[in-house]
Amino acid sequence: SQELEQSPQSLIVQEGKNLTINCTSSKTLYGLYWYKQKYGEGLIFLMMLQKGGEEKSHEKITAKLDEKKQQSSLHITASQPSHAGIYLCGAGNLGNEKLTFGTGTRLTIIP
Amino acid sequence: GAVVSQHPSRVICKSGTSVKIECRSLDFQATTMFWYRQFPKQSLMLMATSNEGSKATYEQGVEKDKFLINHASLTLSTLTVTSAHPEDSSFYICSGSEGAPYEQYFGPGTRLTVT
Repeated sequence: SQELEQSPQSLIVQEGKNLTINCTSSKTLYGLYWYKQKYGEGLIFLMMLQKGGEEKSHEKITAKLDEKKQQSSLHITASQPSHAGIYLCGAGNLGNEKLTFGTGTRLTIIP
Repeated sequence: GAVVSQHPSRVICKSGTSVKIECRSLDFQATTMFWYRQFPKQSLMLMATSNEGSKATYEQGVEKDKFLINHASLTLSTLTVTSAHPEDSSFYICSGSEGAPYEQYFGPGTRLTVT
């Protein structure tokens, strides 16, 4: 089965600073999804990457998928308190809709 | 668009009773719905996948007789936790997908506490 490892597990960043979260897969990724979760709430879809080398941005968040399609990074520029939460990467499976989720990264933004 | 609701958002029940959680896709037809379980400070663990009108497919280690899933329509799936025990206390999240490109839309979750 596919395993996704996220690093770091938790991150405390001063407001205004940049940060990067990584997601590494044990197998080739056929689709990589990034979600954000506030504690005790559902998941908010951020971005999906499918092609090796693909990069997508939305507001101050940029996600990349490496050429080998086994690693993805999520970069936040000029972090704000609204960015705080748990970030989860999810790997799609070829031929079905199931998602395998990473271990999660808890992001805290301090003033 | 692509909104999924869950009801109830929180439920407390006594050990031995059954609890039903509803998952509804409000503005799309969810041909497939997924049920996840999340323990504190942990990631989401897929419990089962259900397609409208057919039996759910359970992940390894998930008791199908304990976690009954019904996907009677393209907008509604239910998860019933039967004979609940304190160890079933958890955060349950559902999601729906309307097919390719298989993006899943998540509900807000239901926190179950079994006393």
